[in-house]
Amino acid sequence: QVQLQESGPGLVKPSQTLSLTCTVSGGSISSGSYYWNWIRQPAGKGLEWIGRIYATGSTSYNPSLKTRVTISVDTSKNQFSLNLSSVTAADTAVYYCARSPPTYTGYDYYFDYWGQGTLVTVSS
Amino acid sequence: SYDLTQPPSVSVSPGQTASITCSGDTLGRRRAYWYQQRPGQSPLLVIYEDSKRPSGIPERFSGSKSGNTATLTISGTQAVDEADYYCQAWHTTGVFGGGTMLTVL
Repeated sequence: QVQLQESGPGLVKPSQTLSLTCTVSGGSISSGSYYWNWIRQPAGKGLEWIGRIYATGSTSYNPSLKTRVTISVDTSKNQFSLNLSSVTAADTAVYYCARSPPTYTGYDYYFDYWGQGTLVTVSS
Repeated sequence: SYDLTQPPSVSVSPGQTASITCSGDTLGRRRAYWYQQRPGQSPLLVIYEDSKRPSGIPERFSGSKSGNTATLTISGTQAVDEADYYCQAWHTTGVFGGGTMLTVL
């Protein structure tokens, strides 16, 4: 059973960089044709896809966040990470990491395993 | 940007059938997915590829699609089904609907 666990600071100052790590257990991040995603949810609001990475390091990002987001992978540690720069209060949210399995269409991706989420507050 | 539209809220009596819709341009050409999110919990996949149910999801959950509208149906709704439900599709990026709060009363 695959498990994902987010970790990182719960408080980040405005204009600084938010950094989170997702540790994957119960399976190798390099095995299978999976994508590894970051998704966030402001309190009381809906889900927003941030971006994803493949084990090879190939990434894609939400255009609305693309200029501020970097997702990286460390296969030796079975982890992938999120950096979000120049944060403001609008970036305060619960951040989830999630796995996307391969699909037979090759483009209809979804999220079958999720971490428990971690709350990040942007405040001075 | 690509949008998926859901009703903000749906109410249902226990034992009755709840239907939650999700509409989007060209959704008919994509697969729809549904997630359940109880308060304080992570989203849980309940329907994938329009109408398939993951292992462990009760049979009362079903999905369908007609044209550009996908529907999540919960038959014999139970109090434990009270939650937020999100539809999702892929349109070069991951896209979620705004979510529907299901109230069982």
